[in-house]
Amino acid sequence: GEDVEQSLFLSVREGDSSVINCTYTDSSSTYLYWYKQEPGAGLQLLTYIFSNMDMKQDQRLTVLLNKKDKHLSLRIADTQTGDSAIYFCAESYGFQKLVFGTGTRLLVSP
Amino acid sequence: DAGVTQSPTHLIKTRGQQVTLRCSPKSGHDTVSWYQQALGQGPQFIFQYYEEEERQRGNFPDRFSGHQFPNYSSELNVNALLLGDSALYLCASSDRPISYEQYFGPGTRLTVT
Repeated sequence: GEDVEQSLFLSVREGDSSVINCTYTDSSSTYLYWYKQEPGAGLQLLTYIFSNMDMKQDQRLTVLLNKKDKHLSLRIADTQTGDSAIYFCAESYGFQKLVFGTGTRLLVSP
Repeated sequence: DAGVTQSPTHLIKTRGQQVTLRCSPKSGHDTVSWYQQALGQGPQFIFQYYEEEERQRGNFPDRFSGHQFPNYSSELNVNALLLGDSALYLCASSDRPISYEQYFGPGTRLTVT
């Protein structure tokens, strides 16, 4: 079945690392994604990982994939107040259908 | 390089009416997908258009229909609006159907009263 789960809320202090977690159900997913949504805005593609990879690093972002447990995480190093937003995990099905989680609201306090 | 654009930004309609939302894909992209995002939820896939045809469809009733034009822009039509159709409608584009990168527009906020 198609189901992606995320925790609803995460609060961190500026300068700390943030870790946002996601679990998915379909082991046949090709790509897994992280999108960011700021208030009143569309979705910004942050990063993605191919399902045969374990880790991907892109500047302050690190994605870890545990296929055995169907667990995906996004680590943001040196979190800034501008990182405050909702973060969505998504998995791809077929040609390009994306199935999204409900989103994790990240609040970064000074 | 213009990104994905959508119009209008906001729209208020009455139950039973029909609505048309528009999307222009990012330059160089030929594939458009539509998503519905209800308040507090993640986006849900409605359908995808490529070469002016619907290629894939999510679990949405036939009241939701679409069209893609030769210039790759797309429309989403919703007939017989229900209160539950109130949502942010997002358009995403990519440079081919099998592409791992989809770019989203800012969305159209539809309110049905």
